[in-house]
Amino acid sequence: GNSVTQMEGPVTLSEEAFLTINCTYTATGYPSLFWYVQYPGEGLQLLLKATKADDKGSNKGFEATYRKETTSFHLEKGSVQVSDSAVYFCALSSTMDTGRRALTFGSGTRLQVQP
Amino acid sequence: DAMVIQNPRYQVTQFGKPVTLSCSQTLNHNVMYWYQQKSSQAPKLLFHYYDKDFNNEADTPDNFQSRRPNTSFCFLDIRSPGLGDAAMYLCATSRVGRLDSPLHFGNGTRLTVT
Repeated sequence: GNSVTQMEGPVTLSEEAFLTINCTYTATGYPSLFWYVQYPGEGLQLLLKATKADDKGSNKGFEATYRKETTSFHLEKGSVQVSDSAVYFCALSSTMDTGRRALTFGSGTRLQVQP
Repeated sequence: DAMVIQNPRYQVTQFGKPVTLSCSQTLNHNVMYWYQQKSSQAPKLLFHYYDKDFNNEADTPDNFQSRRPNTSFCFLDIRSPGLGDAAMYLCATSRVGRLDSPLHFGNGTRLTVT
């Protein structure tokens, strides 16, 4: 079956530090890949996505590249801010045997950015 | 703005007392999902509606039911809440059939069971 593995948190960084959150996946076929962010007390928001190999998703200074050869979709940001403190979820979307879409989440990585 | 709205934000119920959580959407999306999220864990899909077609996950307890009277509204009913059902419940929507279509989440309802 499909699965998503994320690095465990929390990740604690100082403001303006470089961020990497690793994400690898297992899936059949050609899934779409997503990063969602969850701020305290809120639902999940789409951060970025990539739909095919070598696509790069980007938003708000965050980037992730769909690497089919390494089955990875690592999240990066060059300079984090305190306001980036949140939980980040990697997810993949694929088609089940029934023809329906399934979304599989990783376990989430908590990022804490200190001033 | 088009959005997914969940009410209430916080719900307290007693052990064994039925409770209903509601979700509405103005996106006109065909698919609506209910997820359960416990502290520091990934959201877990309970079930989803594909238009009026109800799809239950195999490991969703019978205690959890859902209704979708029309495109805009979806309800989560917990018939006899236990202490283990305390969690954040997230509603989400998506456009039908597209793998690259993201889910749009509401802000969730945090359920406390006393």
